[in-house]
Amino acid sequence: DAKTTQPPSMDCAEGRAANLPCNHSTISGNEYVYWYRQIHSQGPQYIIHGLKNNETNEMASLIITEDRKSSTLILPHATLRDTAVYYCIAIAGGTSYGKLTFGQGTILTVHP
Amino acid sequence: EAQVTQNPRYLITVTGKKLTVTCSQNMNHEYMSWYRQDPGLGLRQIYYSMNVEVTDKGDVPEGYKVSRKEKRNFPLILESPSPNQTSLYFCASRGLAGGTNEQFFGPGTRLTVL
Repeated sequence: DAKTTQPPSMDCAEGRAANLPCNHSTISGNEYVYWYRQIHSQGPQYIIHGLKNNETNEMASLIITEDRKSSTLILPHATLRDTAVYYCIAIAGGTSYGKLTFGQGTILTVHP
Repeated sequence: EAQVTQNPRYLITVTGKKLTVTCSQNMNHEYMSWYRQDPGLGLRQIYYSMNVEVTDKGDVPEGYKVSRKEKRNFPLILESPSPNQTSLYFCASRGLAGGTNEQFFGPGTRLTVL
C-alpha cells in the first residue's frame, strides 16, 4: 500500500468547512484513497473512498487531484462532533481482503 | 441496526489467566478481523477470517488465537495473557461483494494485563 502523509493537526471553526489534505505521491493505479476517522478511542468509522473521480456522500466530499498524488477530504459544515483523528490510506481495491494500516492521521479540532 | 459488538468493553486481568473477547456482527459479512491499537504504533492487524472455518495471521498474531465457527462470530482468545498484550482491541467486518474496503468496527475492548 502506498505511503500517505497528513498534517498532524488542524483546527476548524464550527459551521465552517474543514479541508483535510493527504499526500500519496507513490499511489499505484489500482489503489483507492480511503478516509476513516476515530473519535476519542471509539472504533474507526468509514467516511468515503475514491479512485480518481471526486466523490460525495452524506458525510463528506473527496477531491482527488488529476495526477492522483494528493487528495482533500472536505467536511462542508463541521460540527463539534467532527472532532476526531482522520486517517487517509491508500489501498488496493477489487478483491483485496483489505488489511487497514493507519498512520498517525490528522487530529481535527472543531471549536465553537 | 447494522453493527459490530464486542464484549467485554473493559477488562483487567492478571498474567496467565485465559480470556476471550467476543465479537459479533449482524451484517452477514464474510470478512472479519481483529486489530490492536497502541500509542505511537497505530492500528495493527492480529488475525483475520475470510469466511467460516477460514482464518489467517495478520501482522502481530503471537499470543493470540481465533476461531470462526459461525459467520457472525469471531472471538479473540488469549490463552496466557502477558502485560505486553495490554492494549485497545477492535474487531471489524466487511462484506466481500462489491469490492470496496468499507469496514465496520466494533466499539473496542480496553484490556489491561497486570
